[in-house]
Amino acid sequence: KNEVEQSPQNLTAQEGEFITINCSYSVGISALHWLQQHPGGGIVSLFMLSSGKKKHGRLIATINIQEKHSSLHITASHPRDSAVYICAALSNFGNEKLTFGTGTRLTIIP
Amino acid sequence: DTEVTQTPKHLVMGMTNKKSLKCEQHMGHRAMYWYKQKAKKPPELMFVYSYEKLSINESVPSRFSPECPNSSLLNLHLHALQPEDSALYLCASSQDPRNPSIRGYTFGSGTRLTVV
Repeated sequence: KNEVEQSPQNLTAQEGEFITINCSYSVGISALHWLQQHPGGGIVSLFMLSSGKKKHGRLIATINIQEKHSSLHITASHPRDSAVYICAALSNFGNEKLTFGTGTRLTIIP
Repeated sequence: DTEVTQTPKHLVMGMTNKKSLKCEQHMGHRAMYWYKQKAKKPPELMFVYSYEKLSINESVPSRFSPECPNSSLLNLHLHALQPEDSALYLCASSQDPRNPSIRGYTFGSGTRLTVV
């Protein structure tokens, strides 16, 4: 069993739909990252969370430390949101090591 | 400057070649990382440099040799690679490995390496 699990693995939605991607982790963490990767491209860090909720534009990320669960939401989804979204847990052992989920491939259809 | 810059963006090399990947950041970040990513897989950590010292080596074969000449620059020297080493090599940096309250990663756009 992976230490960081994401669901769904693949998600296809119509433009404008509300999107939710979930991440569960079993390791002790100091923070959790949500990352975005376009095909063939580098990685963009969207959020780093250690508690509560963060919002940036149409993106919202939440984390529940007690339940070891985080969600990434996209409101009013757009085809340019099509990408792989990865959650990554930052170890609380002080060595800066990220444990990555397997990613969610999101496709938004116009 | 809020970026991690990687060069080259693409590299094709033969199995007998020696080449280097370069990563640069001017954000004052004191931890720098090399990751390897195969297609449709999450990145795998290779090396971590903390305050210019190698702090993590994830049992990477010696044909990959990292170097951190200064706090802004990270190199990955490649020699006698195998075709299975073809992948996207990502560099990342984070602010201060000793201060949890300001941790945050910035990733580069990667070098796509093909070994022929």
